[in-house]
Amino acid sequence: EAGVAQSPRYKIIEKRQSVAFWCNPISGHATLYWYQQILGQGPKLLIQFQNNGVVDDSQLPKDRFSAERLKGVDSTLKIQPAKLEDSAVYLCASSLGSSVEQFFGPGTRLTVL
Amino acid sequence: AQKVTQAQTEISVVEKEDVTLDCVYETRDTTYYLFWYKQPPSGELVFLIRRNSFDEQNEISGRYSWNFQKSTSSFNFTITASQVVDSAVYFCALRVYNTDKLIFGTGTRLQVFP
Repeated sequence: EAGVAQSPRYKIIEKRQSVAFWCNPISGHATLYWYQQILGQGPKLLIQFQNNGVVDDSQLPKDRFSAERLKGVDSTLKIQPAKLEDSAVYLCASSLGSSVEQFFGPGTRLTVL
Repeated sequence: AQKVTQAQTEISVVEKEDVTLDCVYETRDTTYYLFWYKQPPSGELVFLIRRNSFDEQNEISGRYSWNFQKSTSSFNFTITASQVVDSAVYFCALRVYNTDKLIFGTGTRLQVFP
């Protein structure tokens, strides 16, 4: 069974630029999560989708971050404009439904200069 | 509010030593789940175990064992006879019942030297 796929693996941009990350969850997984992991910290949930609807985006900085999951499969996370403090690893995870185990992708490491 | 504390930032051991990673959690909920994840250098989080708050039985899986004690709000993880491949960052996490949000600790970096 293929795992959660993410691209790109690495991205370097300058502050005020825009960037987008892509996630393809495990086939059949209805729930998709985006986490932000700043160096030296544990992952922090940014947004959770159930199919193509948002379940929890309480910790998403909505002035600059946006995410969508069209058709309830792939998802993109966008930052516009990026700030230095957005430098982090962005992890995507998926699960069959709510309240079951989450499986994580390899992450996208973003560096904002 | 929920919180997970992993006081050990980094631990270094020599191969074949036993090592215990500490995890202390805070929650007012009576029903919750505790997790351990491993994050190797490749970056993805690998699920190791889940325990629910009503099951305090210790668990052993090969060289791994977990000690859950509600009285001290701890969920410690022991690796017996450590190996170089165990080198990674280990995260403890908490999820309260009826939510999907995982609350992670800050992680413990384990380095196992040959």
